[in-house]
Amino acid sequence: AQSVTQLGSHVSVSEGALVLLRCNYSSSVPPYLFWYVQYPNQGLQLLLKYTSAATLVKGINGFEAEFKKSETSFHLTKPSAHMSDAAEYFCAVSDNTNAGKSTFGDGTTLTVKP
Amino acid sequence: DTGVSQDPRHKITKRGQNVTFRCDPISEHNRLYWYRQTLGQGPEFLTYFQNEAQLEKSRLLSDRFSAERPKGSFSTLEIQRTEQGDSAMYLCASSLGQGAVQPQHFGDGTRLSIL
Repeated sequence: AQSVTQLGSHVSVSEGALVLLRCNYSSSVPPYLFWYVQYPNQGLQLLLKYTSAATLVKGINGFEAEFKKSETSFHLTKPSAHMSDAAEYFCAVSDNTNAGKSTFGDGTTLTVKP
Repeated sequence: DTGVSQDPRHKITKRGQNVTFRCDPISEHNRLYWYRQTLGQGPEFLTYFQNEAQLEKSRLLSDRFSAERPKGSFSTLEIQRTEQGDSAMYLCASSLGQGAVQPQHFGDGTRLSIL
């Protein structure tokens, strides 16, 4: 069985500050990990994915995430927040044994203050 | 790549009525997934198709729910005798099912409100 825990349902940062959204996963087999962003009344858009290659993954809009197996973590970071980053962010885990279906965390709402 | 499209975007209905949602995946994607998302939660897996075959259903999918994907193209999700608890966003996603796990491409969802 797989699971994802996103620590902090709400994160607030000032514009220009570092963004750090935390994700810990549980998987009995090597995981594939994803971060998605969701804007109000829209579907999920892929930010980045980890698929067992490089542990530091770069995504769109300046986001990146680091896979740490020893910590079972896949935290999302961005050096400098922009107002347009305000949205809900979901971490998801999948693997090759379950036809690619994903298990999602409960999400973290990011607020960016001017 | 025209993206995943879902119809309708919003559906308001009375309790006890039947509703049907449609999903058109990205044309070359052979896998199609349905998820349900309630306020403050992440998407929860409901069911998935590999081409036209429905290969897995979550226990969340009661016998009032049925999904089809005729000819492996678009898919429909029907809910019979709707209940208050069915109010949610229903998301469709598609992906290429080959080799390494591919990320899913999501539609904008159908928001269902039960009066």
